[in-house]
Amino acid sequence: DVKVTQSSRYLVKRTGEKVFLECVQDMDHENMFWYRQDPGLGLRLIYFSYDVKMKEKGDIPEGYSVSREKKERFSLILESASTNQTSMYLCASSPRPSTLGHFGDGTRLSIL
Amino acid sequence: AQRVTQPEKLLSVFKGAPVELKCNYSYSGSPELFWYVQYSRQRLQLLLRHISRESIKGFTADLNKGETSFHLKKPFAQEEDSAMYYCALSGQGAQKLVFGQGTRLTINP
Repeated sequence: DVKVTQSSRYLVKRTGEKVFLECVQDMDHENMFWYRQDPGLGLRLIYFSYDVKMKEKGDIPEGYSVSREKKERFSLILESASTNQTSMYLCASSPRPSTLGHFGDGTRLSIL
Repeated sequence: AQRVTQPEKLLSVFKGAPVELKCNYSYSGSPELFWYVQYSRQRLQLLLRHISRESIKGFTADLNKGETSFHLKKPFAQEEDSAMYYCALSGQGAQKLVFGQGTRLTINP
């Protein structure tokens, strides 16, 4: 069974901090994604990666960056956290970019 | 541009009643469409995709290209169907999915 593991379920940080959200998958999938999930807005794609060291901007990349040094790990970085980045962050992986079968549990991030 | 609209944020029906969750899309080519579900305290998971033409947990969804819709239906709702449902679209050759805003379905006993 595919497992997508996000390092933290809950995280509280302060405005201006640099924040790292980690995601690891164990099925050798090429494609990995970061979404944020907000009530009334659904899931919005922040960044995705279709190979090691490759990254593509999603629909809302501002204020975020990503890192994919190894195939199994995809990190989301908030360069300088702001209160409007308080949200649920979901990581996903897939062998095909256009179908997402496997999500992590999510990280609920609060920026104070 | 690809867009998915779920017009109902909240939907409440009684157990045993029929359920229809609406999804409309905007895309000029041939889309792939999906329904995802998130039960309370569980991961988001794929429920069904239109190309499979399958019924999962009693749910079906038919792609209507004329009306650009992909509504999710179930003839008799059960309490365990209470969840958040998202419709999603992928365009031809696309590298990503576009999600709708989601509908929270509550089944009342």
